[in-house]
Amino acid sequence: SQQGEEDPQALSIQEGENATMNCSYKTSINNLQWYRQNSGRGLVHLILIRSNEREKHSGRLRVTLDTSKKSSSLLITASRAADTASYFCAEGRMKTSYDKVIFGPGTSLSVIP
Amino acid sequence: GAGVSQSPRYKVAKRGQDVALRCDPISGHVSLFWYQQALGQGPEFLTYFQNEAQLDKSGLPSDRFFAERPEGSVSTLKIQRTQQEDSAVYLCASSLASDQPQHFGDGTRLSIL
Repeated sequence: SQQGEEDPQALSIQEGENATMNCSYKTSINNLQWYRQNSGRGLVHLILIRSNEREKHSGRLRVTLDTSKKSSSLLITASRAADTASYFCAEGRMKTSYDKVIFGPGTSLSVIP
Repeated sequence: GAGVSQSPRYKVAKRGQDVALRCDPISGHVSLFWYQQALGQGPEFLTYFQNEAQLDKSGLPSDRFFAERPEGSVSTLKIQRTQQEDSAVYLCASSLASDQPQHFGDGTRLSIL
């Protein structure tokens, strides 16, 4: 498979705690994206971080990118029950004519009220 | 606001039947992607359109799968002579450009009996 890896596969935390999800990838990238998916729904874009960026914030979300280690992490601070979902990292790889996006297997997050 | 719309939401077909899945992207979005998602997995790339041009169909599993976007807006994914292994959720996503965040529909859940 060309997919990278995400860990953990599943994460269960108490409301108010922080959640950290990690993503490793295999090839050079243009950008790294994080998406969220609630059960039975489509994916929702969270953050896009470009290969020349190291950190990005959006509300309670913080994404880091280490291109030397080919890894990224998503931190959700002060988690809420509504954050329960699957989270996917996606590599944006430059092809000849377009950017192809390859999704990882995802992390299933459960936030317990 | 108008997001990406997919129809039908659920499709049940007998093995050997042909099916057609529709995607209405966000107006003005140049890029359109189709993905296949198995239960508990990340989306797997099927094909990519830039306007009406199909630039990449390398992810289509077999020649039974065919996709088109004749006028650069609505797209249809057709599966001929369906097999049980075709059972999955089929997701469509559109974006302003291929290196921009993707907007997903809620998918079509296809079950082959």
